[in-house]
Amino acid sequence: KQEVTQIPAALSVPEGENLVLNCSFTDSAIYNLQWFRQDPGKGLTSLLLIQSSQREQTSGRLNASLDKSSGRSTLYIAASQPGDSATYLCAVMNSGGYQKVTFGTGTKLQVIP
Amino acid sequence: DGGITQSPKYLFRKEGQNVTLSCEQNLNHDAMYWYRQDPGQGLRLIYYSQIVNDFQKGDIAEGYSVSREKKESFPLTVTSAQKNPTAFYLCASSPAAGFAGELFFGEGSRLTVL
Repeated sequence: KQEVTQIPAALSVPEGENLVLNCSFTDSAIYNLQWFRQDPGKGLTSLLLIQSSQREQTSGRLNASLDKSSGRSTLYIAASQPGDSATYLCAVMNSGGYQKVTFGTGTKLQVIP
Repeated sequence: DGGITQSPKYLFRKEGQNVTLSCEQNLNHDAMYWYRQDPGQGLRLIYYSQIVNDFQKGDIAEGYSVSREKKESFPLTVTSAQKNPTAFYLCASSPAAGFAGELFFGEGSRLTVL
């Protein structure tokens, strides 16, 4: 059974700092991994999708990497801004005849002005 | 703009009542999903549908029911048999379920049992 862990559960940084969020998974036989952002009381917004054959994806100030062999993904946020404050979740997608997705519990990020 | 619309955003239910949450997508996606989110827990899959008139139970289907009569619509009914229905419910879709495509989510519906 796939297990997805995100540590730390909460993180507070000053504005402008570069930061890394971590996502670990136990079963390396994945199709892809997706990073999401969730604002309080809102749905999930897709940030980046990394296919299993890829090592990283970039979108603006965000860069996500994937190391299947070690069961790890990182989300790098450059030059953090107060508007980046949210909960960040990773989701791992395994094979199984349907889209079997396992979500982490998220890292709550606060960027202090 | 393409997207997923969930309604209502907030819903209150008395014990013993059934309630239905609406989910409509205009992304032309084949696959649709219902997830439940509780504080401190990862999202858990309730039901999913790969095509019209077909749906499958997820990990926590007990006390819930769905239908998929149209490609665009995947309503979720929370029945009185669901013992702890107070939660945040999220509908999602992806281009196809046969391979792992990108997941897109609606804004969610918060259900509170009084």
